This record gives sequence, C-alpha cells and structure tokens, in this order.
Amino acid sequence: EPEVTQTPSHQVTQMGQEVILRCVPISNHLYFYWYRQILGQKVEFLVSFYNNEISEKSEIFDDQFSVERPDGSNFTLKIRSTKLEDSAMYFCASSEYPGSGYTFGSGTRLTVV
Amino acid sequence: ELKVEQNPLFLSMQEGKNYTIYCNYSTTSDRLYWYRQDPGKSLESLFVLLSNGAVKQEGRLMASLDTKARLSTLHITAAVHDLSATYFCAVGGLANGNQFYFGTGTSLTVIP
Repeated sequence: EPEVTQTPSHQVTQMGQEVILRCVPISNHLYFYWYRQILGQKVEFLVSFYNNEISEKSEIFDDQFSVERPDGSNFTLKIRSTKLEDSAMYFCASSEYPGSGYTFGSGTRLTVV
Repeated sequence: ELKVEQNPLFLSMQEGKNYTIYCNYSTTSDRLYWYRQDPGKSLESLFVLLSNGAVKQEGRLMASLDTKARLSTLHITAAVHDLSATYFCAVGGLANGNQFYFGTGTSLTVIP
C-alpha cells in the first residue's frame, strides 16, 4: 500500500537553530499538508500546499515556517529559528484531491532544547 | 473557526463491554473522518463519512454521521484490549478550505 514517508523520525535541535523536516508524499497525490501535535494534545493544521504554492495556512504557521517542494518528490517544512514551544510531533499528509481522505506519514518528533 | 469536541476525553472499559464516543462540530461540513493513534505513532484512517445518515462498520467499530445534529459517533462493540488507543474525529472538506479540524481525542483503555 502506498505510504507517506517522513525523515528523520526524531530530531533534536538547539533553540534558535534551523531545522528541515522532509516528506515524500504518495506519488499520484497533488495536495500536501503539514500538521503538528504537541505531546498529549490534539492535531493542529499548519499549512496546505497545491500546485507549488501555499493554499491555506493557520495562525501557527508564522514567518518562522516555510514549505517547499524542491523537486518532484520531496515536500519540506523548514523552521528558521526554533523555539522551545516548537517541540512537537510533525505529521506530513497528502491527498489525491480536495476533500479526499488524507494519508499521514509516521511523523517526525522534534525536540528543541 | 470550526470547533470539534469529543467526549469522553478518557475512557476506561472492560473487555466485552460496549461504549460510544461522541464527536460534535460547530458548523456545516462535507465530511467526517475517524482516526486511530497508538502511542508515539501516526494517524491511521478508520472511517470516512460523506453524507447524512452514513454508517460504516469495521470489525468491532461502527461510525455514524448525523449532519443535521452535527454529530458523529464511534461505537465500540464487545471491546478487546487491542482497541486501546486514542481515537480522533476530524471534520474537513471543501467547505472548510480543505484543512482538517481535529477533535481533542478520546484515550481508550480496554482492561482485560
């Protein structure tokens, strides 16, 4: 069964450092998303991406965040200067068309120290 | 912003018992999803409910949707230990800009 792949599975970084989280969506999917889940809390939307541009973003997705699809397969989330409160599990997801079910990746656990 | 509430937040039940998890949402939506999450793991899709009155069943889990009441239920029949996990409902669709709004989750523990 096709799956969404995320790397790394766990990243520890110092406060103020830049991190890039990587995702390989399912190949025939056109819509890509990032969500995050702070430990023990609900899953929160960050951003959606279609046709090489952001289609929607939440209040969480401020100027410190950016997304990119640098080639035909990868979809990345960059946090420019990490803060302690950025520590969370970050999930990438993709979907074939708007409103279809997402397939979530296995997540990257980001720990900012 | 669309709000999604689940109850209960925590549920401890004995094997063999039945129980229902409720998911209420605040505004009209195209579709409703149920996900399962094991500790430290990703979100596994369980059900997609697309219309009023939709009912789907998989094993001991059955989900239903009442769009008029803005309510979905996840019913557990004769619970087994393997069902222990956190269950999230999520509301999404074109009417909501294609993003999903997740509920707070229900942490289910099935006691042998």
